[in-house]
Amino acid sequence: DARVTQTPRDKVTEMGQEVTMRCQPILGHNTVFWYRQTMMQGLELLAYFRNRAPLDDSGMPKDRFSAEMPDATLATLKIQPSEPRDSAVYFCASGLDTGETQYFGPGTRLLVL
Amino acid sequence: AQSVTQPDIHITVSEGASLELRCNYSYGATPYLFWYVQSPGQGLQLLLKYFSGDTLVQGIKGFEAEFKRSQSSFNLRKPSVHWSDAAEYFCAVGPMGTYKYIFGTGTRLKVLA
Repeated sequence: DARVTQTPRDKVTEMGQEVTMRCQPILGHNTVFWYRQTMMQGLELLAYFRNRAPLDDSGMPKDRFSAEMPDATLATLKIQPSEPRDSAVYFCASGLDTGETQYFGPGTRLLVL
Repeated sequence: AQSVTQPDIHITVSEGASLELRCNYSYGATPYLFWYVQSPGQGLQLLLKYFSGDTLVQGIKGFEAEFKRSQSSFNLRKPSVHWSDAAEYFCAVGPMGTYKYIFGTGTRLKVLA
């Protein structure tokens, strides 16, 4: 049963610290998405990769967030420095191709104190 | 502007009762339509999707949804709800051939024993 995995599942950190979240997409999927979920904003798309290339990161605060895919089996989302307003659940999703169904990971619950 | 509306924030039903969750969308072209379910502390799981063809779509866990173009709706139904169906349900619209899903704000389902 192929699924998207994310680590860590939970992260508590202090304001100003660097946070790195990792995602392993489903093998063979060539699209990867990062979403943020908060009570106030719901699900927001932060970044979109296709064939490891970042095609859209317009949803990310550029000054502190960065997303990369070092290889086809790993996507990372970094926040440096973190702020309390970054507290949210961050989801990674992957898909077979653009426009196809997105499969979500279990999420990383981030709390910035 | 593209949008997805889930008019019901909370719904409570008794176990064994029927269920209908509403989803209305605003989009200029034929969209892809999805229903996802999110259990507490979990990621989003795809229940069903509509791309084209038969407007009545069967999904997992006994759910179905009907696409009604004239009403711009894609309501989710289940004839008999089980206690394990308690979760949050998200409707999403994906413009055909692109990656930007638009998610509704979710409907939280409570099931009474």
